[in-house]
Amino acid sequence: GDSVTQMEGPVTLSEEAFLTINCTYTATGYPSLFWYVQYPGEGLQLLLKATKADDKGSNKGFEATYRKETTSFHLEKGSVQVSDSAVYFCALIRNDNFNKFYFGSGTKLNVKP
Amino acid sequence: DGGITQSPKYLFRKEGQNVTLSCEQNLNHDAMYWYRQDPGQGLRLIYYSQIVNDFQKGDIAEGYSVSREKKESFPLTVTSAQKNPTAFYLCASRAETETQYFGPGTRLLVL
Repeated sequence: GDSVTQMEGPVTLSEEAFLTINCTYTATGYPSLFWYVQYPGEGLQLLLKATKADDKGSNKGFEATYRKETTSFHLEKGSVQVSDSAVYFCALIRNDNFNKFYFGSGTKLNVKP
Repeated sequence: DGGITQSPKYLFRKEGQNVTLSCEQNLNHDAMYWYRQDPGQGLRLIYYSQIVNDFQKGDIAEGYSVSREKKESFPLTVTSAQKNPTAFYLCASRAETETQYFGPGTRLLVL
């Protein structure tokens, strides 16, 4: 079945370090891919998305490229800030069923000053 | 501002008690969703509704019930049949595209 696998956390970085959070997926067809961010005690906020192969989603300095050949959607940021500390979720949705989201288990990011 | 509101932020349930979590949206979205989040885990779908007066079970519907009498509202009732209700509950809505937008969540605790 369809699924999303993301690297386990927590990931601890110093401010201004480079961030990569790995995400791979299994899906039939051509899903859309998402990154959501969750700050402590809050709901999920859409960070970025990509709807077809080779698309790059970007927002607030974060980027992820939809790689069909490696079934990956890794999240990157060139220089993290303390305010980026949160839990990041990778997710996919099949384009033939917008009611079924598949979420990864989340990766907690801690950024130290 | 358009958005999704959930209330209350914290809710306490006694043994054998039913409790209802509120979810309201003013985004004019047709589809709405309820998810459960347990510590260190991803989200699991409880129920969803694509249109008023219609709803479907998700992956973990047992012990929960919903209604969809208005487009803006999709309340979730956690019944006494749900033996392990302690969790963070998230409501979401979706327009015609694939993107879901989430509310701030309700944390349910058992006394």
